[in-house]
Amino acid sequence: EAQVTQNPRYLITVTGKKLTVTCSQNMNHEYMSWYRQDPGLGLRQIYYSMNVEVTDKGDVPEGYKVSRKEKRNFPLILESPSPNQTSLYFCASSSDSGQGNYGYTFGSGTRLTVV
Amino acid sequence: QKEVEQNSGPLSVPEGAIASLNCTYSDRVSQSFFWYRQYSGKSPELIMSIYSNGDKEDGRFTAQLNKASQYVSLLIRDSQPSDSATYLCAVYVDSYGKLTFGQGTILTVHP
Repeated sequence: EAQVTQNPRYLITVTGKKLTVTCSQNMNHEYMSWYRQDPGLGLRQIYYSMNVEVTDKGDVPEGYKVSRKEKRNFPLILESPSPNQTSLYFCASSSDSGQGNYGYTFGSGTRLTVV
Repeated sequence: QKEVEQNSGPLSVPEGAIASLNCTYSDRVSQSFFWYRQYSGKSPELIMSIYSNGDKEDGRFTAQLNKASQYVSLLIRDSQPSDSATYLCAVYVDSYGKLTFGQGTILTVHP
């Protein structure tokens, strides 16, 4: 089944403890992205990647890191999480950058709570 | 000005009616436009894409694009209670993967 897989689905952590949210896609997509979703603020793009070793900042990159060492994986790293990073996070992938009809396919989401 | 703007609603329509959802965007060079549906507690699901001026129909859904007015809309015909969800408008602002979303419109279809 074609899908974007995120882990974990739920995570509670403490301020300052480094964490990684994994994301993997099995569709051989070139483009991958991370979003966070907050009430009243909608979906905001954190980072995106158009291929291996190519990443770019989205609208809210502060406090996050990403890496794209393999085409299928795009982990999100929070080096020193803070309570304002409590949010619902989505990973997404796409086979085009907007020149076709595909858009992004989203994973199931990771609900992160930082206390 | 936000890059992508939607009326947050909520929009309430009776079952069987046409629901009309609107979206405006600020970047004139935007080329591709998408509508996503998101049920409460679920991830966004792509339902329509459009990149040429005019209408694009898929079943009960019609997307309309007017690049001169920087306006994209989604019509849902014969609305059903199962269409009750948040509808997100999204716009590609470059060719490297930057997809920007509006805040979403909450649609409620009542029996």
